[in-house]
Amino acid sequence: GENVEQHPSTLSVQEGDSAVIKCTYSDSASNYFPWYKQELGKGPQLIIDIRSNVGEKKDQRIAVTLNKTAKHFSLHITETQPEDSAVYFCAASDWGGADGLTFGKGTHLIIQP
Amino acid sequence: DTGVSQDPRHKITKRGQNVTFRCDPISEHNRLYWYRQTLGQGPEFLTYFQNEAQLEKSRLLSDRFSAERPKGSFSTLEIQRTEQGDSAMYLCASSPSGRDEQFFGPGTRLTVL
Repeated sequence: GENVEQHPSTLSVQEGDSAVIKCTYSDSASNYFPWYKQELGKGPQLIIDIRSNVGEKKDQRIAVTLNKTAKHFSLHITETQPEDSAVYFCAASDWGGADGLTFGKGTHLIIQP
Repeated sequence: DTGVSQDPRHKITKRGQNVTFRCDPISEHNRLYWYRQTLGQGPEFLTYFQNEAQLEKSRLLSDRFSAERPKGSFSTLEIQRTEQGDSAMYLCASSPSGRDEQFFGPGTRLTVL
């Protein structure tokens, strides 16, 4: 089955700086890679996703890149703000998603004022 | 609010008791997923429904767990003879037909004493 590794487990950055979170996956059949933001006591919120036929996707201050050959994908947050503080999860699944998403262990992002 | 809803939000029970959780997906989403999340970990896939049919079950779903989606709308997850190891957040997600995106509810936090 799929295995998703996520690094780092904790990331502290100064407000206004950029943050990068990296994930690797093991199953070459995976072709859908979402990122979720989870705040304390809440369910995960989908913030951006990318499919295997695309190398990069951007939405305002958030971007995701995918390297299929190396089986890794990354989340980039620019101009970080205090409200970006949360736990971020990467995930992977194959077509149809019948086996559900396989998640990484999460990155606790701390934005220092 | 037309998002995924879950009930109850919190449940405290004694070991050996049965518990049942409910999930109401986003209207017209025919795909529904259950996940379990323990502290400091990413969500883990439990089971998947397409309409009323349960199409996938993880090996994590022991015989004490059963899920239903009788009319293809809401779903229930029952845990029989709860154990302390069942303490976790139980998350429900829904997805529209033909799409990969999964939208999560707020979760039900189960504590088994």
